[in-house]
Amino acid sequence: TQLLEQSPQFLSIQEGENLTVYCNSSSVFSSLQWYRQEPGEGPVLLVTVVTGGEVKKLKRLTFQFGDARKDSSLHITAAQPGDTGLYLCAGDAGGTSYGKLTFGQGTILTVHP
Amino acid sequence: ETGVTQTPRHLVMGMTNKKSLKCEQHLGHNAMYWYKQSAKKPLELMFVYSLEERVENNSVPSRFSPECPNSSHLFLHLHTLQPEDSALYLCASSQELAGIITDTQYFGPGTRLTVL
Repeated sequence: TQLLEQSPQFLSIQEGENLTVYCNSSSVFSSLQWYRQEPGEGPVLLVTVVTGGEVKKLKRLTFQFGDARKDSSLHITAAQPGDTGLYLCAGDAGGTSYGKLTFGQGTILTVHP
Repeated sequence: ETGVTQTPRHLVMGMTNKKSLKCEQHLGHNAMYWYKQSAKKPLELMFVYSLEERVENNSVPSRFSPECPNSSHLFLHLHTLQPEDSALYLCASSQELAGIITDTQYFGPGTRLTVL
């Protein structure tokens, strides 16, 4: 069974601070996705990383896929209250796994004004 | 709006009730999924339908019964549930390519289910 360990589970910071969320596994994934979920809504895809060592930037968000494709990180620069939400990483084993994404437990981020 | 709608958004039911959750996707996708999201647990995949055939049943109890009449609609029929089944039930869809490549999954807003 593939597992994704996501840390920290909770993060409460002030506006303007930087933060990093980690997603680690002992398994190799063909790709890894990061989602953000707001209360009362379903997860919304932020980014997909596919290549080991890949770095993607989305405004103040930087996503990195580990060289061995077993881990990933999400870094937010100068966090804003609008960044508040549940952040989820999800790994795709690829092959004939029929879209079986393995999700981490999630990180609940609260950014205070 | 992700193109995936779910109804109802909230449902309260007793343990002896029978109810159904509905999901509809307007994205032209060929794969649909049911997930369960409980507090303090990772999102759990329940069922996967690809081209209207169930290709994954993740050891889900028989009191949950999925139905996929066509590629745009997915139902989850509920019967004699337990209080521990209370959770957010999420539907998702994606475009599968011969089961080899997992494309982006688009999630609906979920149905918040409470079993009394």
